[in-house]
Amino acid sequence: EIVLTQSPGTLSLSPGERATLSCRASQSVSSSYLAWYQQKPGQSPRLLIYGASSRATGIPDRFSGSGSGTDFTLTISRLEPEDFAVYYCQQYGSSPWTFGQGTKVEIK
Amino acid sequence: EVQLVESGGGLVQPGGSLTLSCAASGFTFSNYAMSWVRQAPGRGLEWVSTISGGGAGTYYADSVKGRFTISRDNSKNTLYLQMNSLRAEDTAVYYCAKNQRSSWLYNWFDPWGQGTLVTVSS
Repeated sequence: EIVLTQSPGTLSLSPGERATLSCRASQSVSSSYLAWYQQKPGQSPRLLIYGASSRATGIPDRFSGSGSGTDFTLTISRLEPEDFAVYYCQQYGSSPWTFGQGTKVEIK
Repeated sequence: EVQLVESGGGLVQPGGSLTLSCAASGFTFSNYAMSWVRQAPGRGLEWVSTISGGGAGTYYADSVKGRFTISRDNSKNTLYLQMNSLRAEDTAVYYCAKNQRSSWLYNWFDPWGQGTLVTVSS
């Protein structure tokens, strides 16, 4: 099973700042089969990024994904008030599909 | 617009059974694999099970294998999760999610339903 470790656990930033979230895999994620999701309190997760770097439909271009192998990054270029949430990475290249434990982006 | 609406959650005693349903609309249901993902209170996400578009292929996390059964009725555009021998650690919000292809392999989850809460407690 591929274990995904996200860091930091919590990121305290102000609106307008840049957020950099990390997701590290215990083994190489084949073909960059990695996705990122955003979850706000009381809501279901929403897909942001798939294939490590492809934005899902309707996702603003301030969200970008990068990386390959075992190291992946989600970047939010300029935080908007609605971006404060929990973010999860997920690998779908090797069964069982696994998620990271999440990074909370909170208002500083 | 794709919509997924779960139902069937509730309070059940340890060792009991429950069946969840997920009604799908806005897409050709039989063309896509479907999955269940759960989230324990205050915790992260855990993949539970996936079924292929035609229903022939079913796949489970080790934590539920032998206790949970995923199925689908493509004539009713509905996904199911039959849960038996429930344990306290199965307490979670259960989400259904659409996969991106008919095969169970190499799929991300998009979109997700609103979730249904299952509480296993005496």
